[in-house]
Amino acid sequence: GAGVSQTPSNKVTEKGKYVELRCDPISGHTALYWYRQSLGQGPEFLIYFQGTGAADDSGLPNDRFFAVRPEGSVSTLKIQRTERGDSAVYLCASSANGGFFYAEQFFGPGTRLTVL
Amino acid sequence: GENVEQHPSTLSVQEGDSAVIKCTYSDSASNYFPWYKQELGKGPQLIIDIRSNVGEKKDQRIAVTLNKTAKHFSLHITETQPEDSAVYFCAANQGGKLIFGQGTELSVKP
Repeated sequence: GAGVSQTPSNKVTEKGKYVELRCDPISGHTALYWYRQSLGQGPEFLIYFQGTGAADDSGLPNDRFFAVRPEGSVSTLKIQRTERGDSAVYLCASSANGGFFYAEQFFGPGTRLTVL
Repeated sequence: GENVEQHPSTLSVQEGDSAVIKCTYSDSASNYFPWYKQELGKGPQLIIDIRSNVGEKKDQRIAVTLNKTAKHFSLHITETQPEDSAVYFCAANQGGKLIFGQGTELSVKP
């Protein structure tokens, strides 16, 4: 079956602009995660949804970052007033049941965001 | 919160040799420890995981060991092949989220 998909694969924007990054999780997966990966580093947690609600948004760096998952499937990560420091690969993952700590997280290919 | 340290940052081995990557974690409440392999331009792919009620798990050429008392876990790859070359990440769960190590770039030379 299809894995986690993310669009766009690459996004180049100018400082101060608004961007939206989309994630399509594996069908039927109730939990969805966003991570950010800077060059040469491990993924860093941003936010996690269980169904439609954000179960943990403690990793969002500031109020310029916001994510939604209105129907419990597709999620959109929104970044306002982008800064050069936002440049990174944004990874999305989903799991069958985020309520269980053992649930395997399946990652998408990521969106590479470059802020000029 | 949880902190995961991973060593070494780079590792070069000859084809057929073994490779070992080590991680330590800080939060004794963590109970799930996955290992991911990431190839250039791709997302991380789970290769093996271990739960806190198990000390060792093996899957063909890959094994993971966990020492809860010392709060460290290790990845062992035997009979390495050039296609094992990639960046490997360990992680520990904190609630539902994963906290990742800094990564190990493994290079297997033919």
